[in-house]
Amino acid sequence: ETGVTQTPRHLVMGMTNKKSLKCEQHLGHNAMYWYKQSAKKPLELMFVYSLEERVENNSVPSRFSPECPNSSHLFLHLHTLQPEDSALYLCASSPTLVGRPSTDTQYFGPGTRLTVL
Amino acid sequence: TQLLEQSPQFLSIQEGENLTVYCNSSSVFSSLQWYRQEPGEGPVLLVTVVTGGEVKKLKRLTFQFGDARKDSSLHITAAQPGDTGLYLCAGAKGGSYIPTFGRGTSLIVHP
Repeated sequence: ETGVTQTPRHLVMGMTNKKSLKCEQHLGHNAMYWYKQSAKKPLELMFVYSLEERVENNSVPSRFSPECPNSSHLFLHLHTLQPEDSALYLCASSPTLVGRPSTDTQYFGPGTRLTVL
Repeated sequence: TQLLEQSPQFLSIQEGENLTVYCNSSSVFSSLQWYRQEPGEGPVLLVTVVTGGEVKKLKRLTFQFGDARKDSSLHITAAQPGDTGLYLCAGAKGGSYIPTFGRGTSLIVHP
């Protein structure tokens, strides 16, 4: 499945570094999502964008800053992260916002495994 | 907050065995999805169920949505090592565009 791609696949950074995660979808979808997946926890929704507008910020600390320049690209800018931010960060897209039965389908990228030292 | 409880949390079986995993909630969902996630990869959609009582089959996998649309089950017949992975259920509630994910069932099938 190459519909949603994420780069880099692995990232190690120090707490004072600034880095960015990139997500690109080739499916013509209008909605994009960032999730955090930590060990033994459910997927945590971080941000939702619809037609390049942010429609959800799920109480995420300001050290995570999303950017959606167009409906195909989504970035997550990282700065002054903490070790507890180490996790798998997943990007997903859907035709429109999930919630309508005919479009309740999200397609996920492979994720970026982030380690904060 | 909607909660989806998945059970069992872990399952380790031999090739050829049958198994069932469950996804339960006290909330009604307009639809429910099952995903499989392999180590180091993102979740891959297996099926979406929409109608209460609906049963869908995908080769050796059988998915059922409860009559009240509050729960679902996934049954695997004659499990194979390739079925190993984390099985996630996610529910979407009408009027809300944010799906809720369960914690997942981690399945290992030994050859």
